[in-house]
Amino acid sequence: EVQLVESGGGVVRPGGSLRLSCAASGFTFEEYGMSWVRQTPGKGLEWVSGINWNGGSADYADSVKGRFTISRDNAKNSLYLQMNSLRAEDTALYFCARALSRYYFYYMDVWGKGTTVSVSS
Amino acid sequence: DIVLTQSPGTLSLSPGESATLSCRASQSATNRYLAWYQQKPGQAPRLLIFGASRRVTGIPDRFSGSGSGADFTLTISSLEPEDFAVYYCQQYGSSPPTLGQGTKVEIK
Repeated sequence: EVQLVESGGGVVRPGGSLRLSCAASGFTFEEYGMSWVRQTPGKGLEWVSGINWNGGSADYADSVKGRFTISRDNAKNSLYLQMNSLRAEDTALYFCARALSRYYFYYMDVWGKGTTVSVSS
Repeated sequence: DIVLTQSPGTLSLSPGESATLSCRASQSATNRYLAWYQQKPGQAPRLLIFGASRRVTGIPDRFSGSGSGADFTLTISSLEPEDFAVYYCQQYGSSPPTLGQGTKVEIK
């Protein structure tokens, strides 16, 4: 079964850091671009960051550029999101999603259930 | 970045009625690289349509996508109870990929 499972969410103070992980299974992880997409409570979806199949190229939403870093370990079938200098507006449910391409800027056909990040003092 | 504007924000309809959802891009979506997702409360989004009009395997044919350039439409021909949800469009013609703010289809 094709599956993505996120972990690493939690409660953190403003200015703090968190590292999200996404474990992939059921498909050849190294052949696909991957993205993180977040959803704030009661609001819509926001694409956060994406990375190509080999980690050679990545991009970020303006709202997180310079604070978040995406990475992947194809040997471990895992995607990561290092989040630094967290702000209250980063509070959201973070989804990991597979792009049906080697490139992250493609449509996303497999999604995890998400992990919740709460930034609060 | 390409901004996607979805309208209306909310659509109140009865089962059996037809729904027409709009997605307008601030720039032309290259090669019709436009997808539609459905999201129900407490669930992850589900891909319905890609390439503006290509239905994902297993998606009922009452869902159809159309459009090109900067204007796209998702049509649900006869609403079933399970279709009441929030729908998002996404462009993937250029980086960063962007999503619309969503249209909620609610039961009237």
